[in-house]
Amino acid sequence: GESVGLHLPTLSVQEGDNSIINCAYSNSASDYFIWYKQESGKGPQFIIDIRSNMDKRQGQRVTVLLNKTVKHLSLQIAATQPGDSAVYFCAENGGNAGGTSYGKLTFGQGTILTVHP
Amino acid sequence: DGGITQSPKYLFRKEGQNVTLSCEQNLNHDAMYWYRQDPGQGLRLIYYSQIVNDFQKGDIAEGYSVSREKKESFPLTVTSAQKNPTAFYLCASRTGWNTGELFFGEGSRLTVL
Repeated sequence: GESVGLHLPTLSVQEGDNSIINCAYSNSASDYFIWYKQESGKGPQFIIDIRSNMDKRQGQRVTVLLNKTVKHLSLQIAATQPGDSAVYFCAENGGNAGGTSYGKLTFGQGTILTVHP
Repeated sequence: DGGITQSPKYLFRKEGQNVTLSCEQNLNHDAMYWYRQDPGQGLRLIYYSQIVNDFQKGDIAEGYSVSREKKESFPLTVTSAQKNPTAFYLCASRTGWNTGELFFGEGSRLTVL
């Protein structure tokens, strides 16, 4: 079945370092991807998104890379800060109209990012 | 302010009881979603709805039911058929049927006693 997964469940970095969080997806029809940040006991917050017709998108201190050939997504956080400590999820959106996954947004397991001062 | 409101924030239920979690949005979004999150886990899709009076099963719909009688409301009922209902439930919405970020509520934590 369709799935979205992460290579690493936890990631620890020092303040000021760059962080890279990875995500693998299996649905080749997925056309849109989103990264979310979730702090304990709260709902997820949007970080950045990317469409399948792009391979890179940049935001403020964050960059998302998409490699459709190997179905891989990554989130890069520059100059990581203690406030970046949270769980990070990737999500994939299910594809074309008429497909069984149209409108379906599926999340990966998540990576816990811990930033040490 | 526009947003998504989930209630109650905490709910306790005895085994065998049905409970309904409320989700209301004033963002004029067409699509709404319910996810379940267990400790240390990701979000799993229960049901989603792209338009009023229509909804689709997600990956773990068994033991749950929904309705979408109004655009702004998408209540989730956790029935007694759900064998392990203790979890954190998140409601979300987005403007597009198949695109755009999800906006999440603050969640409802259900505990079965």
